Amino acid sequence: DGGITQSPKYLFRKEGQNVTLSCEQNLNHDAMYWYRQDPGQGLRLIYYSQIVNDFQKGDIAEGYSVSREKKESFPLTVTSAQKNPTAFYLCASSRGTWRTDTQYFGPGTRLTVL
Amino acid sequence: QQQVKQSPQSLIVQKGGISIINCAYENTAFDYFPWYQQFPGKGPALLIAIRPDVSEKKEGRFTISFNKSAKQFSLHIMDSQPGDSATYFCAAGGSYIPTFGRGTSLIVHP
Repeated sequence: DGGITQSPKYLFRKEGQNVTLSCEQNLNHDAMYWYRQDPGQGLRLIYYSQIVNDFQKGDIAEGYSVSREKKESFPLTVTSAQKNPTAFYLCASSRGTWRTDTQYFGPGTRLTVL
Repeated sequence: QQQVKQSPQSLIVQKGGISIINCAYENTAFDYFPWYQQFPGKGPALLIAIRPDVSEKKEGRFTISFNKSAKQFSLHIMDSQPGDSATYFCAAGGSYIPTFGRGTSLIVHP
């Protein structure tokens, strides 16, 4: 099966702890994205990467970090600097840019910070 | 700053009716306008998309209408079915960064 895997589905952490969310794709897509979804807010772009070893900040990058060491992997770290980290996090990928090729989304990780 | 305004926030229609969701954008440089469908607990999935060189695009029961001068686009779902009950997001953007609307929760009653 080709697709995007996000793990875990639910994640609980104590306030002040860093946490890393996994995103893996076997679609051979060049571009990968991280979004945050809050109730009534729609999706907001955190980071995106067009190629390996390169990534760019999105609209709400503060308190987050990413890496893109492999084409198929784009992990997101939610740091203690993120003021309100509890949210639903979605990873996506596309062969080219989001406007030239279909953007596929993973199933998401719901992070709750206690 | 919200660059894409989506309405209504929620919508209830009867089976067989027409569902209409509207979006308005501000940035005239935007050149790609997709709609996504999201079921609870799942990631969004691309439903249909349009570029500004056409005013309408139809795929099955789903139609996008695009008004470039008004900077508005809308999703029409014909013959709405209970299985269409989901949250719908519009988006707009240029090369790399999409901007999403806040979503519309659609409920289709049987």
